[in-house]
Amino acid sequence: AIRMTQSPSSLSASTGDRVTITCRASQGISSYLAWYQQKPGKAPKLLIYAASTLQSGVPSRFSGSGSGTDFTLTISCLQSEDFATYYCQQYYSYPQTFGQGTKVEIK
Amino acid sequence: EVQLVESGGGLVQPGGSLRLSCAASGFTFSSYWMSWVRQAPGKGLEWVANIKQDGSEKYYVDSVKGRFTISRDNAKNSLYLQMNSLRAEDTAVYYCARDGTYALDAFDIWGQGTMVTVSS
Repeated sequence: AIRMTQSPSSLSASTGDRVTITCRASQGISSYLAWYQQKPGKAPKLLIYAASTLQSGVPSRFSGSGSGTDFTLTISCLQSEDFATYYCQQYYSYPQTFGQGTKVEIK
Repeated sequence: EVQLVESGGGLVQPGGSLRLSCAASGFTFSSYWMSWVRQAPGKGLEWVANIKQDGSEKYYVDSVKGRFTISRDNAKNSLYLQMNSLRAEDTAVYYCARDGTYALDAFDIWGQGTMVTVSS
């Protein structure tokens, strides 16, 4: 199985900050990568697919980049509603696998 | 409104069985691959299984192969997960999620989840 490793596992930030989360795949996955946001007690929400394509309805402050093994999720100007846990997911091959998550907390 | 609603979770003893259901509405269910994804308490997300539009192809994570069976009824717009020989490590919130029109895709719609607890 392809292993997805996110860093950091958690971070503290303030409203208005620029936040970057990285995701590394144990082997090349082209651009078959998605990012999800999950708030406590809620289902995950798709933010980005195909590494850099913004899902409909997702604010433009979210962006994704990368291909192959290294990927990045950037939140350009953190808002209060963005405090949550973020997961990357590869859908290049079975089994589809997720990173361990990055919790974005209020500083 | 596009919606997925899971049901069927609960408390079951180790070795027992449970059948989860997911009712879809607001989209053409028969046009999409569908998946089950689970999340153990305080842990990350784990894809469990998915099924092709017509049910002819099914894929599973190794840890559930031979114990879980995914199925669907397009006439009822419903997805199912039959879980047998349950273990403590199967304890999790189980989400149904919509794949795309291809086998491997991002999950763009999720249900609210149903909790499965395996304990004596």
